[in-house]
Amino acid sequence: QKEVEQNSGPLSVPEGAIASLNCTYSDRGSQSFFWYRQYSGKSPELIMSIYSNGDKEDGRFTAQLNKASQYVSLLIRDSQPSDSATYLCASKERSYIPTFGRGTSLIVHP
Amino acid sequence: NAGVTQTPKFQVLKTGQSMTLQCAQDMNHNSMYWYRQDPGMGLRLIYYSASEGTTDKGEVPNGYNVSRLNKREFSLRLESAAPSQTSVYFCASSVDRAYEQYFGPGTRLTVT
Repeated sequence: QKEVEQNSGPLSVPEGAIASLNCTYSDRGSQSFFWYRQYSGKSPELIMSIYSNGDKEDGRFTAQLNKASQYVSLLIRDSQPSDSATYLCASKERSYIPTFGRGTSLIVHP
Repeated sequence: NAGVTQTPKFQVLKTGQSMTLQCAQDMNHNSMYWYRQDPGMGLRLIYYSASEGTTDKGEVPNGYNVSRLNKREFSLRLESAAPSQTSVYFCASSVDRAYEQYFGPGTRLTVT
């Protein structure tokens, strides 16, 4: 069974610090990877997609993909209290069926 | 653009009742999805439609049916609701099945 694993947290970081969120996946055939942010009581919101090995930066967010290690990470620089949310990692394999992790809760304290 | 819209936002059903959750997107996306989200279980795929005219089962299809009415609309039907179907239901769409999904606001369903 295809799995995407995330530490449930909570991950607590001070305001202004770098938050590092990690995700591993079991299916070597996975092609596409996504990070979503979900505030309590709200729907998931796409932060970033990454399709090839290496880093991809968008503002304060950097996604890192290492297919050999089956590992995806999300770095949030200059973390703000408004970044406090649950972060979901997702993958799609060759048949393009999406698989989501259970999410990591991030708390950014002032 | 409204993006992905879902109706209703909240619903309470009695065991055995039926209902249809509606989803529509105005982004001209080809692929659409239905998920349920339960505490501690994450998002689980119920059904998806890779393109207009096709539907396929996801991880937890039992007790549900779907209809891809046209390119814009994808509905989820509960024929005989059970308490185990109490959940938050999200519809999502993507331009193509390989790409990122965009989610609707969700429907909170309680079955008593």
